[in-house]
Amino acid sequence: DAGVIQSPRHEVTEMGQEVTLRCKPISGHDYLFWYRQTMMRGLELLIYFNNNVPIDDSGMPEDRFSAKMPNASFSTLKIQPSEPRDSAVYFCASSLGVLTREQFFGPGTRLTVL
Amino acid sequence: LAKTTQPISMDSYEGQEVNITCSHNNIATNDYITWYQQFPSQGPRFIIQGYKTKVTNEVASLFIPADRKSSTLSLPRVSLSDTAVYYCLVGGGNAGNMLTFGGGTRLMVKP
Repeated sequence: DAGVIQSPRHEVTEMGQEVTLRCKPISGHDYLFWYRQTMMRGLELLIYFNNNVPIDDSGMPEDRFSAKMPNASFSTLKIQPSEPRDSAVYFCASSLGVLTREQFFGPGTRLTVL
Repeated sequence: LAKTTQPISMDSYEGQEVNITCSHNNIATNDYITWYQQFPSQGPRFIIQGYKTKVTNEVASLFIPADRKSSTLSLPRVSLSDTAVYYCLVGGGNAGNMLTFGGGTRLMVKP
């Protein structure tokens, strides 16, 4: 398996623009997580899905952020409109079976909002 | 919500044993403790996980006292390639228990 795949790897955009980050989890995994990493706040869980259903989105910073998982092989994290403070590395991770199981992280998307 | 606290950084020398402690005073009954390693420009990578007492695998040991309010990751005989940031993750015992990462400990292994 290729592991968790994220695209794009780097994204530079201007304030106010819509940004869509994409994730393909490991085949067969039933949990999918979106994290944000910054120097100031470290690694933060934004939202996670189980069997394509959002379970906990309490980490989503505000209404400008939304996440979807239309099927077991694909998820998106959308920011609309983007702001400079959204600049961060966004990681997607997946795991199998139970919430506490080992998570496999993707390489991340480095987002810069100018 | 379990708040997790770790030392910001640690230095060590090749061949030494390194112990990194994470404090999680508000850990819930069913929460697990998981440690991850992260290299620059990569996603975190699983090292070890435990619930109580001691767990050992081929790369590390994890010590958890009876009250489970802290945990210690032990890396035996570190090498230069162990230079990385180490994170503890607490939570997940129940669907409502948020997963919370510590701030990370930057380990520098010197020759």
